[in-house]
Amino acid sequence: ETGVTQTPRHLVMGMTNKKSLKCEQHLGHNAMYWYKQSAKKPLELMFVYNFKEQTENNSVPSRFSPECPNSSHLFLHLHTLQPEDSALYLCASSQEGGNEQFFGPGTRLTVL
Amino acid sequence: KQEVTQIPAALSVPEGENLVLNCSFTDSAIYNLQWFRQDPGKGLTSLLLIQSSQREQTSGRLNASLDKSSGRSTLYIAASQPGDSATYLCAVNPVGAGNNRKLIWGLGTSLAVNP
Repeated sequence: ETGVTQTPRHLVMGMTNKKSLKCEQHLGHNAMYWYKQSAKKPLELMFVYNFKEQTENNSVPSRFSPECPNSSHLFLHLHTLQPEDSALYLCASSQEGGNEQFFGPGTRLTVL
Repeated sequence: KQEVTQIPAALSVPEGENLVLNCSFTDSAIYNLQWFRQDPGKGLTSLLLIQSSQREQTSGRLNASLDKSSGRSTLYIAASQPGDSATYLCAVNPVGAGNNRKLIWGLGTSLAVNP
């Protein structure tokens, strides 16, 4: 247990569905991250939030919409996804100014 | 542009063997380098973090070294066990990434330790 939880752990959705991924950290951190991990590719940073403010959007398509209501919670809202969006989506957190990122177990997403 | 390469991509060893995983990066301007472990279908667990001013870090049977000038890091695993089987990822935190901690990742080395 790293102190970062993600739900659901597995998700299968159609291209027309709308779903949300949830991440919660219990570490008192104030920076949170969404990553995408696809086979044969390095981890891709999607979004970064510092103190609830989005500070990085790494050219992510608008069908991915992040939300950070407070420093402990991070959501990724999904709509009209494509099959190539199937991947493991990882959430991480860190202390602002800190060096180390702590990861959740990920959500395995399959888009049919 | 910073790039991170990990060699080998896959490694299979008998239990008890000492082994070395390699990570190289193209730009020596980094704040730190981090080694992670990932079990199949799971998230990442941080193993060791080496600051740019450090040469090595140790945790139990793991030892990570950093040679910033040559752009290399190694992860040494002593007396390997089947429970060490996982993918090991290397990530660098480049200077200029600011507080976003925009890590640059390798593809990982998939390790199998056979009983």
